[in-house]
Amino acid sequence: GAVVSQHPSRVICKSGTSVKIECRSLDFQATTMFWYRQFPKQSLMLMATSNEGSKATYEQGVEKDKFLINHASLTLSTLTVTSAHPEDSSFYICSARESGPRPQHFGDGTRLSIL
Amino acid sequence: QKEVEQNSGPLSVPEGAIASLNCTYSDRGSQSFFWYRQYSGKSPELIMFIYSNGDKEDGRFTAQLNKASQYVSLLIRDSQPSDSATYLCAVVEAAGNKLTFGGGTRVLVKP
Repeated sequence: GAVVSQHPSRVICKSGTSVKIECRSLDFQATTMFWYRQFPKQSLMLMATSNEGSKATYEQGVEKDKFLINHASLTLSTLTVTSAHPEDSSFYICSARESGPRPQHFGDGTRLSIL
Repeated sequence: QKEVEQNSGPLSVPEGAIASLNCTYSDRGSQSFFWYRQYSGKSPELIMFIYSNGDKEDGRFTAQLNKASQYVSLLIRDSQPSDSATYLCAVVEAAGNKLTFGGGTRVLVKP
């Protein structure tokens, strides 16, 4: 149980392109979803927290107009990297959690490369 | 600044031995504690979670929590080469639902 599906797994695109990443909880209702970014040899950095039907809460230093998050249902959240640039290249990982003191379950991640 | 501290390693362990990983946290009110395993280039995978003081065992893994000492540990018995990975300790803040991750301990199990 507790499977989180993330797509696409890899994206390579030109600078200026907008990229959309989907995160789905397959067998549970995710009241809260989280988006992380991880650079090589570094730990995960939380970008934002989203609750179903609410606006996302962004961490300090994360541009909300650049990283658009939508959590329209209890099983789907999307992250759109708008007008991506090479410095946005990273490993983006979503996680999802049921209500209450439950573990976060992670998707497989999306490796984004901006040329 | 709430912190979660781990020794970065690498922790080198012979195959079949016990690997012992430690983690300390600064937020005394934290209630939920997690261990994740992350292989290189992959996303984290939940190994164990523990909420109460004491030990919790699941297969070859045992998590130990001591809230008075603000300390959580993970033991891996009968270590296998496939256990070679980075192990992330994570703590949920008392006031919220965000995970605070430690920097991870890299474990190398040598055949």
